Amino acid sequence: EPEVTQTPSHQVTQMGQEVILRCVPISNHLYFYWYRQILGQKVEFLVSFYNNEISEKSEIFDDQFSVERPDGSNFTLKIRSTKLEDSAMYFCASRKTGGNTEAFFGQGTRLTVV
Amino acid sequence: AQKITQTQPGMFVQEKEAVTLDCTYDTSDPSYGLFWYKQPSSGEMIFLIYQGSYDQQNATEGRYSLNFQKARKSANLVISASQLGDSAMYFCAMRQIRDDKIIFGKGTRLHILP
Repeated sequence: EPEVTQTPSHQVTQMGQEVILRCVPISNHLYFYWYRQILGQKVEFLVSFYNNEISEKSEIFDDQFSVERPDGSNFTLKIRSTKLEDSAMYFCASRKTGGNTEAFFGQGTRLTVV
Repeated sequence: AQKITQTQPGMFVQEKEAVTLDCTYDTSDPSYGLFWYKQPSSGEMIFLIYQGSYDQQNATEGRYSLNFQKARKSANLVISASQLGDSAMYFCAMRQIRDDKIIFGKGTRLHILP
């Protein structure tokens, strides 16, 4: 069964460093998302991406964050200068097409900023 | 503004019993989708079931069913014949057709007792 895959599963980085979280969405999906979940808290929307551009973003998604679809398969989230409070589980998700189709999530990348 | 409310932070249920996890939502959009996701201790987000706002029948998926009461704006998840492997965090979520983001409730942690 096709699935969303994320790498790495766990990343530790020093404060101030740049990190890139990688995702391979399901191949025939057109809408892509990043969410984050701070430990023990709710899942928060960061950004949605369609047709090679951001379609919606939350106030969390400030200038430190960017997304890219560098080729036909990868979807990346970059955090330019990590802060301690960026420590969280980051989920990538994708869904097929318009309408209210379900989104499928990757297994997450746990980012720890030290 | 759209909102998801899960009022049960935690539940303990005996194995083999049925369990109902509560979810209410608020939206002004007539077209929306409702989702339930399971998050086991390993952290991944597993899609369980989807209900569209215009669907005439309640969604079912194996042991999962969604008790959709549109007038009351509730979308409770029912798990029949619970199993030890059902112990996890469960999130109710919603997407309005005009938005491109899914918002999540705070979750209910379900513990199945042997």
